[in-house]
Amino acid sequence: KQEVTQIPAALSVPEGENLVLNCSFTDSAIYNLQWFRQDPGKGLTSLLLIQSSQREQTSGRLNASLDKSSGRSTLYIAASQPGDSATYLCAGPGDAGNMLTFGGGTRLMVKP
Amino acid sequence: ETGVTQSPTHLIKTRGQQVTLRCSSQSGHNTVSWYQQALGQGPQFIFQYYREEENGRGNFPPRFSGLQFPNYSSELNVNALELDDSALYLCASSLWTGAYGYTFGSGTRLTVV
Repeated sequence: KQEVTQIPAALSVPEGENLVLNCSFTDSAIYNLQWFRQDPGKGLTSLLLIQSSQREQTSGRLNASLDKSSGRSTLYIAASQPGDSATYLCAGPGDAGNMLTFGGGTRLMVKP
Repeated sequence: ETGVTQSPTHLIKTRGQQVTLRCSSQSGHNTVSWYQQALGQGPQFIFQYYREEENGRGNFPPRFSGLQFPNYSSELNVNALELDDSALYLCASSLWTGAYGYTFGSGTRLTVV
């Protein structure tokens, strides 16, 4: 059964810091992994999708990596800004049909 | 291309009532999935619809049911509402395999009192 865990659950950093969010999963047979951003009370915005054949994906200040052998993915945010404050969720394919299994999320606060 | 749209945005219902939530999928997507997100937690998979049939279901009771229409839009119906059904309900659309990722809507906030 696929289980996804995110550490830390919450993170507070000063503006300008580079930071890493961690995601681990139990089923290494995943074919992709997706990172999302969620603002309070809002829906999910897709940030990056990494296919199993890739090791990294980049979009602006965001870089996501995927290591299937270790069951880990990381989201790297460079030069963090207060506007980056949100909850970040990772998700991979689950067990029932073509569905997503989510981690609990990392709540990020970037202080000015 | 249009994204995923959900309606209504907010809803308040009384325990025991029934509710219907609606979702229009992104243009070009043929699969719709529904998720329930309790406060402070990650979304939990409810079920998925492909070709107007349920294809995969999470750990939710039968009072959670759905439909998919020929234009790929979808409804989530919840009967006999309970207080614990209060949550953000998210709809996601994708191509069948999910290999190209999922696009989520803004969600419907359901409050059961």
